[in-house]
Amino acid sequence: GQSLEQPSEVTAVEGAIVQINCTYQTSGFYGLSWYQQHDGGAPTFLSYNALDGLEETGRFSSFLSRSDSYGYLLLQELQMKDSASYFCAFQTGANNLFFGTGTRLTVIP
Amino acid sequence: NAGVTQTPKFQVLKTGQSMTLQCAQDMNHNSMYWYRQDPGMGLRLIYYSASEGTTDKGEVPNGYNVSRLNKREFSLRLESAAPSQTSVYFCASSDQMGGFLLISTDTQYFGPGTRLTVL
Repeated sequence: GQSLEQPSEVTAVEGAIVQINCTYQTSGFYGLSWYQQHDGGAPTFLSYNALDGLEETGRFSSFLSRSDSYGYLLLQELQMKDSASYFCAFQTGANNLFFGTGTRLTVIP
Repeated sequence: NAGVTQTPKFQVLKTGQSMTLQCAQDMNHNSMYWYRQDPGMGLRLIYYSASEGTTDKGEVPNGYNVSRLNKREFSLRLESAAPSQTSVYFCASSDQMGGFLLISTDTQYFGPGTRLTVL
């Protein structure tokens, strides 16, 4: 079967760094994506890893280890507006994303 | 450039009623998707369309039908609504070709969602 595990909640202080982990299990894997969703809003794309290593996009970085079936999202210089839910999703084929249940990040002053 | 649009934004149905959720994208994307998101949960794929004229079942297709009317529009129909279909429905699109595996992200662009309540 297919599964994704990520923490349900994370709290961090404004200006700090936070890491959200994601482990997955699947028979077909082509890459790991991260999406952000604010309350009441639509998911928006943040980052994608097809190969092992770190991808950096501004304050956000994402890491993938295919051998460990593991990835993480790193958010630096946290801002209050980063309070949202973050979903990892693996790409199982050309047209299929399988989403985790999300990590709710709360940034506190 | 509106991106992905969905109508209606909110809908209340009684059990057994039918309705169609509309979705349109103006990014000339080939692939379109319908997801549902239940409270505190991730998104689950209902149906997708890899290209105009094709549709395929996702993880939770039961109780739904879809139509890819043209490249821009992808509708989701509930023939006989049930309380278990109370959810937020998101439409999305992406520019991957159907059946063509790319070493690139299947970046999906989401619409604002339709909040459906079935009583």
